[in-house]
Amino acid sequence: KNEVEQSPQNLTAQEGEFITINCSYSVGISALHWLQQHPGGGIVSLFMLSSGKKKHGRLIATINIQEKHSSLHITASHPRDSAVYICAVLSNYQLIWGAGTKLIIKP
Amino acid sequence: KAGVTQTPRYLIKTRGQQVTLSCSPISGHRSVSWYQQTPGQGLQFLFEYFSETQRNKGNFPGRFSGRQFSNSRSEMNVSTLELGDSALYLCASSPGGTPAMGYTFGSGTRLTVV
Repeated sequence: KNEVEQSPQNLTAQEGEFITINCSYSVGISALHWLQQHPGGGIVSLFMLSSGKKKHGRLIATINIQEKHSSLHITASHPRDSAVYICAVLSNYQLIWGAGTKLIIKP
Repeated sequence: KAGVTQTPRYLIKTRGQQVTLSCSPISGHRSVSWYQQTPGQGLQFLFEYFSETQRNKGNFPGRFSGRQFSNSRSEMNVSTLELGDSALYLCASSPGGTPAMGYTFGSGTRLTVV
């Protein structure tokens, strides 16, 4: 079993829909990251969480430390949100990565 | 401020050769981490350096090595290249004082081994 599990693996939605991507982990962590990777490889850090909830524009990230679970939400999704979203947990100075969720938003 | 700079962006090497990749972190950041991304294995941790010391290491063979200089720039070396080493190699920098400080990623070096 992987230490970081993401779901769904693939997600296709219509523009304007509310998107939720989930991340569960099984190791002790000091922080959890949500990252975005566009075709071509560049990775952008969206959020770093150790508790509670963070919001940036249309993106919201939450974490429940007791349940070892985090969610990334996108409100009013747009085609430019199409990317791979990756959850990574920081454990003992290293990032352990989820497999990513490939999101496609259709106009 | 300048971001994380990785050089070169693209590289083609032959099996058996060795390669050195470079990562210049954000000014003031003291931690540099290296990751390998392949289609089959996803992103995997290679190693992390802080103040010129390797602080943690992933499960990669000894052909993969790294170092960090006094100006925090880091290099990663792969010797005796194999076809399976073809991947995107990403580095990330962080202030590094405590584990939970944020990361900034470079654009990566895409290595193709033929």
